[in-house]
Amino acid sequence: GENVEQHPSTLSVQEGDSAVIKCTYSDSASNYFPWYKQELGKRPQLIIDIRSNVGEKKDQRIAVTLNKTAKHFSLHITETQPEDSAVYFCAASINQAGTALIFGKGTTLSVSS
Amino acid sequence: SQTIHQWPATLVQPVGSPLSLECTVEGTSNPNLYWYRQAAGRGLQLLFYSVGIGQISSEVPQNLSASRPQDRQFILSSKKLLLSDSGFYLCAWGQGDEQYFGPGTRLTVT
Repeated sequence: GENVEQHPSTLSVQEGDSAVIKCTYSDSASNYFPWYKQELGKRPQLIIDIRSNVGEKKDQRIAVTLNKTAKHFSLHITETQPEDSAVYFCAASINQAGTALIFGKGTTLSVSS
Repeated sequence: SQTIHQWPATLVQPVGSPLSLECTVEGTSNPNLYWYRQAAGRGLQLLFYSVGIGQISSEVPQNLSASRPQDRQFILSSKKLLLSDSGFYLCAWGQGDEQYFGPGTRLTVT
């Protein structure tokens, strides 16, 4: 079945720096790749996603890139702010009925001011 | 707009007791519904998903079960809880690719 690897597990940056989180997936049939942000004690929130027919997508300070050949995708956060501190999860669809997602283990991002 | 509800928000149950967690969605029809579990400091594990009433797919064999008695209602149950069932249980709904999570139920098995 699908397997999603995510790294690094923790990431510490200074305010204003960029942060990059990378994920790889195993199932070449996967075609949908969302990213979620989870603040402490709260539900994961969908922040950006990308589909397999697109190589890059941007939304203000965040962007996601996808390399289908290498089966990896990345989240880029520019001009980081303390409120970006959270756990970030990548996921990939296993392409069955209902589009169930398989998640990476998460990256804890800490932005210090 | 769509809203997803879960209850209870927190629950403390002894080992061996039964469990029933409920999830309902408003503002949409025939959603795909999902149950995930998140152990403390860990990732999200898909437990069950449903594409329609009475249709349940299980991802991980365990002492949990799920039911979908109505279009927008998804229930997670157990007959006898184990210590290892402690965690943050998240219901999610989706139509198409995107999934949106409910507020979650924090379960502690003592």
